[in-house]
Amino acid sequence: QVQLRESGPGLVKPSETLSLTCTVSGYSLSSDYYWGWIRQSPEKGLEWIGTIYHSESTYYKPSTYYNPSLESRVSISLDASKNQFSLKLISVTAADTALYFCARERRQYPLLYYFDFWGQGALVTVSS
Amino acid sequence: DIQMTQSPSSLSASVGDRVTITCRASQSIDSFLNWYQQKPGRAPKLLIYAASSLQSGVPSRFSASGSGTAFSLIISSLQPEDFTTYFCQQSYSTPYSFGQGTKLEI
Repeated sequence: QVQLRESGPGLVKPSETLSLTCTVSGYSLSSDYYWGWIRQSPEKGLEWIGTIYHSESTYYKPSTYYNPSLESRVSISLDASKNQFSLKLISVTAADTALYFCARERRQYPLLYYFDFWGQGALVTVSS
Repeated sequence: DIQMTQSPSSLSASVGDRVTITCRASQSIDSFLNWYQQKPGRAPKLLIYAASSLQSGVPSRFSASGSGTAFSLIISSLQPEDFTTYFCQQSYSTPYSFGQGTKLEI
C-alpha cells in the first residue's frame, strides 16, 4: 500500500524558509508517477503548489512544474535513495499558513490525471 | 488560469437521499475533472477521475458525469459516512485548480 508522510517544522517565522519533506513507502519515487505538493487554507482553499517527476530510465535531472503564483519562491527536489521529496518555500508570510499535503500524481494519456494517494498533511503556521 | 466553481457551497440532506453537486469550469476542460471527498482533519480521498470513472474501492452509490465546462457528482442514497465535504479539481492544465468545496450536512 502506498503511504506518504509529511514532516517538518510546524512554525516558521515571517521572511524565513518553509521546508517540508515527504517520505514515501510502498512505492518507488523513480517509477512512472509524479509527486506533488498541495496546500489548504480557509482563505484560498486547496491550492496546487507544484510537482516533480523522476525516472530511473533517464539520466536527466528531475522535471519540476510549479504554480506560477508561487514559482518565484518555491522549489521541489527529490532524493531517490531515501524515497523522499521535499518542498522549500522562501520568504514566507502569514498568507503561507496552511495545511500542506504531499500526494502521488498520476499522469497517463489520455485522461488519467489525478492525485490518488495523499499524506495526512502538515500544518505550518507562519508567525513571529 | 482555469477557475472552478462548485454549487451549492453547503447542502442539507438526510440519510437515504439522492443528492447532486455541480462543478463548473471557466473554460472547457474536456473530461479532465476529478472529485474528492475530504473528512475533517483528513486528506482528500479520490472518488472519481476523468469526469465519470469510479476509483477502485469507492462505493457504487457515487457516480459522476459531464464534460466541457459542466460536471456533476451524484450520491444515489446517502449514508451517514457521506456527510462531509466534496471538492472538484481540473487536471486539464497547470496550474491545477480546485473548487471551493461543498459541505454536505444532515
